[in-house]
Amino acid sequence: EAGVAQSPRYKIIEKRQSVAFWCNPISGHATLYWYQQILGQGPKLLIQFQNNGVVDDSQLPKDRFSAERLKGVDSTLKIQPAKLEDSAVYLCASSLPPGGQFFGPGTRLTVL
Amino acid sequence: AQSVTQLDSQVPVFEEAPVELRCNYSSSVSVYLFWYVQYPNQGLQLLLKYLSGSTLVKGINGFEAEFNKSQTSFHLRKPSVHISDTAEYFCAVSPAYNAGNNRKLIWGLGTSLAVNP
Repeated sequence: EAGVAQSPRYKIIEKRQSVAFWCNPISGHATLYWYQQILGQGPKLLIQFQNNGVVDDSQLPKDRFSAERLKGVDSTLKIQPAKLEDSAVYLCASSLPPGGQFFGPGTRLTVL
Repeated sequence: AQSVTQLDSQVPVFEEAPVELRCNYSSSVSVYLFWYVQYPNQGLQLLLKYLSGSTLVKGINGFEAEFNKSQTSFHLRKPSVHISDTAEYFCAVSPAYNAGNNRKLIWGLGTSLAVNP
């Protein structure tokens, strides 16, 4: 069974630029999550989708972050414009409740 | 609401020694419990989970954890560690009920396990 796929693995941009991350969940997993993990900290949930609907986006900075999952499968997370404090690893996960979440390798974003 | 406390931020241990990583939680409802491992520059990997049934849960790589409801703990153990077990370990909980498909994971801050030769 293929795991959660993410791209790119690494991205370096300058502040105020835009960036997008892509995630393809495990086949059949209806729930998809985007997390932000700052170095030395645990993951912070940004947004959770159930199929193509948003279940929880309470911690998503909506003035600069957006995410979509138009066909209920893959998803894109965008940051526009980026700030220095957005430097982090962005993790995508998917799940088939109640078995736990399965994570992709993450995208390491560096904002200069 | 739920909360998770990982009692040790760093645990140094020698190779082949036993290890216990401690996790306590707080919740007013029944919970599911998880341990994840994160190797350097990688994503999170599910080590084991407790959903129901036997309180002793066995996971991958020789790890096991015991759910203790009276002490609200879910400590992770391994009888003999290897250098390759060096990683960050995260304990997480989610409510056992399905509230609008939102089984949000509540994460601990992580425990850094360093296995030395």
